[in-house]
Amino acid sequence: DIQMTQSPSSLSASVGDRVTITCRASQAIGGYLTWYQQKPGKTPKLLIYAASTLQSGVPSRFSASGSGTDFTLTISSLQPEDVATYYCQGYNGAPWAFGQGTRVEIK
Amino acid sequence: EVQLVESGGGLVQPGGSLRVSCVVSGLSVSTEWMHWVRQAPGEGLVWVARISPDGKRITYGEVVKGRFTISKDDADNTVHLEMNSLRVEDTGVYHCTTRRDYGSGKAVDFWGQGTMVTVSS
Repeated sequence: DIQMTQSPSSLSASVGDRVTITCRASQAIGGYLTWYQQKPGKTPKLLIYAASTLQSGVPSRFSASGSGTDFTLTISSLQPEDVATYYCQGYNGAPWAFGQGTRVEIK
Repeated sequence: EVQLVESGGGLVQPGGSLRVSCVVSGLSVSTEWMHWVRQAPGEGLVWVARISPDGKRITYGEVVKGRFTISKDDADNTVHLEMNSLRVEDTGVYHCTTRRDYGSGKAVDFWGQGTMVTVSS
């Protein structure tokens, strides 16, 4: 099965900062990667699908890129409402595989 | 409106069994891949199992393989997860979820609020 490894596991940044989260797959998964945002007490929210496609209603400060084994999620200007845990998820035909999550906080 | 509503969680002793269910409305389990995802308190998301629309393709995560069984009832539009030989580390909220790929990078997913399973003596 595919394993997904995210880094960092947590980060603290100031409002307006650029934030980058990376995700690495244990084997090539093409562009079959999703990014989720989860706030406390809520179910995950789909932000990015197919590695780089921003889903409807997601602010344009979120972007993502990558293919194969290496992927990134970027928040161009961190806002207070972005405080959450972010998960990558590989889904290349094989079972889903989540990264361990990156907790994003405001400094 | 699509709704996924889980039930059946509770407290069970290690080695015990439990069956959780997910009643779906607004879409048909006979046309969608259905998944179970769990989340231990304060921990991350863990994919548990999936079942194909025709019910013939079933896959399990390594952590539950051989102990859990996913099934569905198309007539009741319900997905089940039978959990046997439960371990303390199986404790968590179990979510039913599905995702629909519309192509060109567009998708929509639906999640239930989950049902809490606690494995403890």
